[in-house]
Amino acid sequence: DGGITQSPKYLFRKEGQNVTLSCEQNLNHDAMYWYRQDPGQGLRLIYYSQIVNDFQKGDIAEGYSVSREKKESFPLTVTSAQKNPTAFYLCASSIVAPSTDTQYFGPGTRLTVL
Amino acid sequence: AQSVTQLDSQVPVFEEAPVELRCNYSSSVSVYLFWYVQYPNQGLQLLLKYLSGSTLVKGINGFEAEFNKSQTSFHLRKPSVHISDTAEYFCAVRKGGATNKLIFGTGTLLAVQP
Repeated sequence: DGGITQSPKYLFRKEGQNVTLSCEQNLNHDAMYWYRQDPGQGLRLIYYSQIVNDFQKGDIAEGYSVSREKKESFPLTVTSAQKNPTAFYLCASSIVAPSTDTQYFGPGTRLTVL
Repeated sequence: AQSVTQLDSQVPVFEEAPVELRCNYSSSVSVYLFWYVQYPNQGLQLLLKYLSGSTLVKGINGFEAEFNKSQTSFHLRKPSVHISDTAEYFCAVRKGGATNKLIFGTGTLLAVQP
């Protein structure tokens, strides 16, 4: 079965700790994305990557970091510099082509800072 | 800059009644438009998309949407809703070109009542 997996489903973190969220896809997609979802605010883009070893900041990149060492994997690290990290995090992927641009989403990780 | 407006944060409706979820976008260039659905604590699933061609687009689960360029709208409709349609619905826009970045609206919660 092809798809996107995110782990863990729920994550708890103490203030001041860094935490890494996993995102893996077996769809052979070149592009991958991280979004943050807060109630009433929709989805906001954190980082995206269109090719291995390259990534760009989205609209709310401060306090986050990513890596793209493999095509299948795009982990997101929430650092202690992120002032309000409690949120639902969604990973997505797509092929990179102007005419075929559906983004496929993973099931999400809910991060709670204690 | 592109933006997406979903005017209604919540739409209550009785089962078997018709529903319309509104979406307006702002863009001076050609756009691609999407509707996604999110069930509680899950990722987003694509309902339908408009890339070009016929302005009436049919999607999954009996939903359809009409692209209206003059009114810059892409409203989502279903003639008869079911309890199982209760979910959050997101409208999104992507600018034509090389990037696959999506801009999301803030979402509309469709609450179907028996």
